[in-house]
Amino acid sequence: AQSVAQPEDQVNVAEGNPLTVKCTYSVSGNPYLFWYVQYPNRGLQFLLKYITGDNLVKGSYGFEAEFNKSQTSFHLKKPSALVSDSALYFCAVRDFRYSSASKIIFGSGTRLSIRP
Amino acid sequence: DVKVTQSSRYLVKRTGEKVFLECVQDMDHENMFWYRQDPGLGLRLIYFSYDVKMKEKGDIPEGYSVSREKKERFSLILESASTNQTSMYLCASSPGTGAAYEQYFGPGTRLTVT
Repeated sequence: AQSVAQPEDQVNVAEGNPLTVKCTYSVSGNPYLFWYVQYPNRGLQFLLKYITGDNLVKGSYGFEAEFNKSQTSFHLKKPSALVSDSALYFCAVRDFRYSSASKIIFGSGTRLSIRP
Repeated sequence: DVKVTQSSRYLVKRTGEKVFLECVQDMDHENMFWYRQDPGLGLRLIYFSYDVKMKEKGDIPEGYSVSREKKERFSLILESASTNQTSMYLCASSPGTGAAYEQYFGPGTRLTVT
């Protein structure tokens, strides 16, 4: 079965420290992987995606993610956290059960809290 | 700037009422989606549409129906609202038929059924 897992419900980091939000996946084909962010009372915003090519993907707001095929992971990272990064983060993977639309499966979300 | 709008930010309805949630996108996207978001469950797909008048069931279609009469508009209908449909509902759109495109989301509608 296809799935995506975010093992941590909450991640707490001090401002200025590096942050990592973890994501692992299980798919039957080449994974298309995404990260989205949801700020309070807002819809989701796209951060970055991995389709093919370089395993290190750079996205919006200084975030990057590293695709690791052997560990089936796609962890989100940022070298220096900001208080404004506090939000709910979702990892997602292409749903190979469907071919007619860009359907994706979302993880359960990780709440990132950056303390000043 | 791309834009997906939803008809209401907050909605309170009574059990048994018929509820309409509207979504409009101005990006000429082929694909549109309806999700519900619940704490600890992430986003779950209710229905999606890949063309006008075309729709497919997602993972949790029971109790819901959809309508797409125009390319820019995708409506979610709760035929007879129940308390377990209290949730945040998110609409999204994406271009084309490929799976590499990101989705653009509306601000969400928080529905409470009493």
